[in-house]
Amino acid sequence: QSALTQPASVSGSPGQSITISCTGTSSDVGSYNLVSWYQQHPGKAPKFMIFEVNKRPSGVSNRFSGSKSGNTASLTISGLQAEDEADYYCCSYAGSRTSHWVFGGGTKLTVL
Amino acid sequence: QLQLQESGPGLVKPSGTLSLTCTVSGGSVSSSTYYWDWIRQPPGKGLEWIGNIYYSGSTYYNPSLKRRLTISIDTSKNQFSLKLSSVTAADTAIYYCARQSSSFRPFDYWGQGTLVTVSS
Repeated sequence: QSALTQPASVSGSPGQSITISCTGTSSDVGSYNLVSWYQQHPGKAPKFMIFEVNKRPSGVSNRFSGSKSGNTASLTISGLQAEDEADYYCCSYAGSRTSHWVFGGGTKLTVL
Repeated sequence: QLQLQESGPGLVKPSGTLSLTCTVSGGSVSSSTYYWDWIRQPPGKGLEWIGNIYYSGSTYYNPSLKRRLTISIDTSKNQFSLKLSSVTAADTAIYYCARQSSSFRPFDYWGQGTLVTVSS
């Protein structure tokens, strides 16, 4: 049982937009603007795509964007491309008295 | 370019101790900027943060693993290590080492991961 809740799967056609939700609690997502998103292709290590809710590291396409409302964070991918097909994980800081960093269970994105 | 590489036994017996080392190249574990983390992923499942260490040796552990966990750093070898005792099949996972550029920053560099299976 992961600390953060994500849908198991989402899908979209090339060119479309999709949004992946990540629901936590007032002790993690709701308390800190320290939500990050990771993309993982099969057999590969995760790659961070978004940090601090809505910031993109250099080299990540502006098709990827993040947001947060209350205890739920979201990752939106616009203009879907075949190479976006991967697993996506959200992560939030949860405080120094708890497990520090908690992850979601992951969402499988299928590009139809 | 920073690179991290995990190494260690791929098979550990139940009740034994899982030991892994992460060798860092292209950067220094002695830097006062960075935190060095361990994260694991059971086969087909999600990610779990295990803990991290600062160059000074200060550690932060996931409370669910704290009783069994030791993370250490060897600045002379530019490595950091993980020891998890009293392992069970539930500890079977791909273990990743990773870096944070501060304690509140994302995991920006990852090793390729190493599968550790707990089985007799």
